[in-house]
Amino acid sequence: KAGVTQTPRYLIKTRGQQVTLSCSPISGHRSVSWYQQTPGQGLQFLFEYFSETQRNKGNFPGRFSGRQFSNSRSEMNVSTLELGDSALYLCASSSGTGRNTEAFFGQGTRLTVV
Amino acid sequence: AQKVTQAQTEISVVEKEDVTLDCVYETRDTTYYLFWYKQPPSGELVFLIRRNSFDEQNEISGRYSWNFQKSTSSFNFTITASQVVDSAVYFCALAEWGYSTLTFGKGTMLLVSP
Repeated sequence: KAGVTQTPRYLIKTRGQQVTLSCSPISGHRSVSWYQQTPGQGLQFLFEYFSETQRNKGNFPGRFSGRQFSNSRSEMNVSTLELGDSALYLCASSSGTGRNTEAFFGQGTRLTVV
Repeated sequence: AQKVTQAQTEISVVEKEDVTLDCVYETRDTTYYLFWYKQPPSGELVFLIRRNSFDEQNEISGRYSWNFQKSTSSFNFTITASQVVDSAVYFCALAEWGYSTLTFGKGTMLLVSP
């Protein structure tokens, strides 16, 4: 069974640009969550999508957005990049229903903003 | 609001020593999940265990064991006879019942030297 796949693994962007990250969850999983990991703030929840709908949202500015497609793949977009957006972005996949809420993570996309 | 505290920022041990990683949590929910994840240098968060709040039975899996005490809001993780391959950052996390969103602690970096 394939795991969670995130692309690309590494990105370098310039301040002011926008970026799109992709996440393909484990087959059959309908929930995709995104997390930002920085040395200072640790792991912070961005948002969760379930069946193409945003189910939960963390405390991030509107520059951070996401979406989920009918095949459960998800993308997150960050517009008007700032230096502080440099981080490891992790995607987590789970069934999202019932009590089976183990989240399985991808290897992440490391974004560097220069 | 939910909160997870991992007071130990970094622990260094010599191979074959036992080591315990502490986790204390805060939540107003009566039912919830607790998790431990391992993050090796590759960046991927590896799921180790999930514990439901109504199940206080301790669990052992090979060299790993977990001690959940609801009365003290703690969910500690012990590695017996540590190995160099155990070197990683370990995260404790909390989730509301039935939801996938995780609140993480800041992590404990474990360094096991030969």
